[in-house]
Amino acid sequence: AQTVTQSQPEMSVQEAETVTLSCTYDTSESDYYLFWYKQPPSRQMILVIRQEAYKQQNATENRFSVNFQKAAKSFSLKISDSQLGDAAMYFCAYIGPGNTPLVFGKGTRLSVIA
Amino acid sequence: KAGVTQTPRYLIKTRGQQVTLSCSPISGHRSVSWYQQTPGQGLQFLFEYFSETQRNKGNFPGRFSGRQFSNSRSEMNVSTLELGDSALYLCASSSFERGGTDTQYFGPGTRLTVL
Repeated sequence: AQTVTQSQPEMSVQEAETVTLSCTYDTSESDYYLFWYKQPPSRQMILVIRQEAYKQQNATENRFSVNFQKAAKSFSLKISDSQLGDAAMYFCAYIGPGNTPLVFGKGTRLSVIA
Repeated sequence: KAGVTQTPRYLIKTRGQQVTLSCSPISGHRSVSWYQQTPGQGLQFLFEYFSETQRNKGNFPGRFSGRQFSNSRSEMNVSTLELGDSALYLCASSSFERGGTDTQYFGPGTRLTVL
């Protein structure tokens, strides 16, 4: 079964600084998708960024970018110029081919210090 | 487009009761998935519906069931509630007919407390 591991339960970053959240996954598939979701306290889970495994280019969305290392099965999220509104739980998620469900990591709680 | 909506947002029930949660997907989305989120177990997949058919099911007891209507709205039901069923129940919708390989968009969740 596919698994997703987030080894950092909690992290903190100073406002305006850069932080990287780690994620590794285990799969025997070659075609899959990876996601980072953000869940602010008591608020809705929202998509941050998505990466297709067949794409070598790392995905970028404004201040958010990923470092996708397919051979190492690593998918880290970099947040640049951190803002107070970035404080949230961040979940790394994997989805394989076909009708398979999202598999989530345990999450990383990010605090942003003013 | 309006996002995924879930009702009710909060529920308090007692052990042994049953509960029904509702989810309305984004307009045009035909796939609806349900997840249970708890501090101990994290996010766990319950089931997925597409065109009124359950296409995938997670490892939950038969007390957890669901259905999808012709307008893609979905409901999940939990019978004979147990204390351990207290959780945030999240619904997510996606558009691709293959399911899975498209982005899932989440609703705000229903917070269920079982006393």
